[in-house]
Amino acid sequence: AQTVTQSQPEMSVQEAETVTLSCTYDTSESDYYLFWYKQPPSRQMILVIRQEAYKQQNATENRFSVNFQKAAKSFSLKISDSQLGDAAMYFCAYRSAAILDSNYQLIWGAGTKLIIKP
Amino acid sequence: DSGVTQTPKHLITATGQRVTLRCSPRSGDLSVYWYQQSLDQGLQFLIQYYNGEERAKGNILERFSAQQFPDLHSELNLSSLELGDSALYFCASSVGVSADTQYFGPGTRLTVL
Repeated sequence: AQTVTQSQPEMSVQEAETVTLSCTYDTSESDYYLFWYKQPPSRQMILVIRQEAYKQQNATENRFSVNFQKAAKSFSLKISDSQLGDAAMYFCAYRSAAILDSNYQLIWGAGTKLIIKP
Repeated sequence: DSGVTQTPKHLITATGQRVTLRCSPRSGDLSVYWYQQSLDQGLQFLIQYYNGEERAKGNILERFSAQQFPDLHSELNLSSLELGDSALYFCASSVGVSADTQYFGPGTRLTVL
């Protein structure tokens, strides 16, 4: 079974600085998707960025980028120029891409609470 | 705004009661997923429907059931409620059964007293 691990329960960063959130996963599959979701105090679950395992290029969305290391099964999120609005819980999630696998549930890490210091 | 709607936003009820949570997926999405998030924890997958049919089950209790209707909205029914069922219940939708990105609704916060 696949598992996702976020080893940092809480991280803090000074406003305008850069912070990296860690995520590792375990799978025997070769094709899958990885996601970072953000959950602000409003509790809404917001997609931040996604990565397709067959793509070697790291995904980027504005100030958010990932460092995807397939062999190491690592998927870290880098937030540049941190802003107060980035304060939230960040969840890493995994989803199988196997065509014959009818279970497309997201498998979640426990989350990292990101605190932005003004 | 993801386009996924959930009602009600908050629900307070007593142990032993039954409640129904409702979800409307994004326009054009055929797949609906239900997740449970207990306090300060990650999400647990409950169940998935695609175009009216159940596709996958996760850690869903026998006291819980769901369905997806012809208009594609979905309902999650929770019965014989216990204190431990208090949680945030999310609905998510995606275009197809294998579409990679799921978009989440705002959630329903259930409090069982």
